[in-house]
Amino acid sequence: DQQVKQNSPSLSVQEGRISILNCDYTNSMFDYFLWYKKYPAEGPTFLISISSIKDKNEDGRFTVFLNKSAKHLSLHIVPSQPGDSAVYFCAASGASGSARQLTFGSGTQLTVLP
Amino acid sequence: DSGVTQTPKHLITATGQRVTLRCSPRSGDLSVYWYQQSLDQGLQFLIQYYNGEERAKGNILERFSAQQFPDLHSELNLSSLELGDSALYFCASSVERGGEWQYFGPGTRLTVT
Repeated sequence: DQQVKQNSPSLSVQEGRISILNCDYTNSMFDYFLWYKKYPAEGPTFLISISSIKDKNEDGRFTVFLNKSAKHLSLHIVPSQPGDSAVYFCAASGASGSARQLTFGSGTQLTVLP
Repeated sequence: DSGVTQTPKHLITATGQRVTLRCSPRSGDLSVYWYQQSLDQGLQFLIQYYNGEERAKGNILERFSAQQFPDLHSELNLSSLELGDSALYFCASSVERGGEWQYFGPGTRLTVT
């Protein structure tokens, strides 16, 4: 039972254009969402997050949008740069007793073409 | 560099064997998390420790166990290994008891032959 889904395993975008990565979730108890970026041979690194009380959060070239009614979030990267080429994981968090856990999607490989 | 270290980087072993993966969290972080990433899969949460105590359990098999020591480093023990246990194992740490901002180590790639 995948509670966090990234339906596009890969995405190719031209340098300078917008990259849009999508993520869907099923658990309505999730109240915090994050994007992690992962380069080969490295662990995931935190990129940007959003609380369920917001619908948008922006940090430089990265913006995350949250649509709670659709249980959907997206990451926009504008403009895309070749260094953005990596695997992007969507993750969701919700309180479960005294602990909070991250539930990850399966990732989207973004390739930014020069 | 996240400040989280994991050893070894690669591990090749045979079915039925037992291995131990080690993780040192960032300085000051009290929580340690273990994740498994199999081929083409997302990261599956295994277990969390906070200041030496088990805090949360995910999809961790009974053949797997973990502990966090007084110096806060953690070990993940995998026994009776099967081919399907081949995966990347990541350790992450955070300051809080349940921290979303988890800092990940580079991972240990386990290959079971």
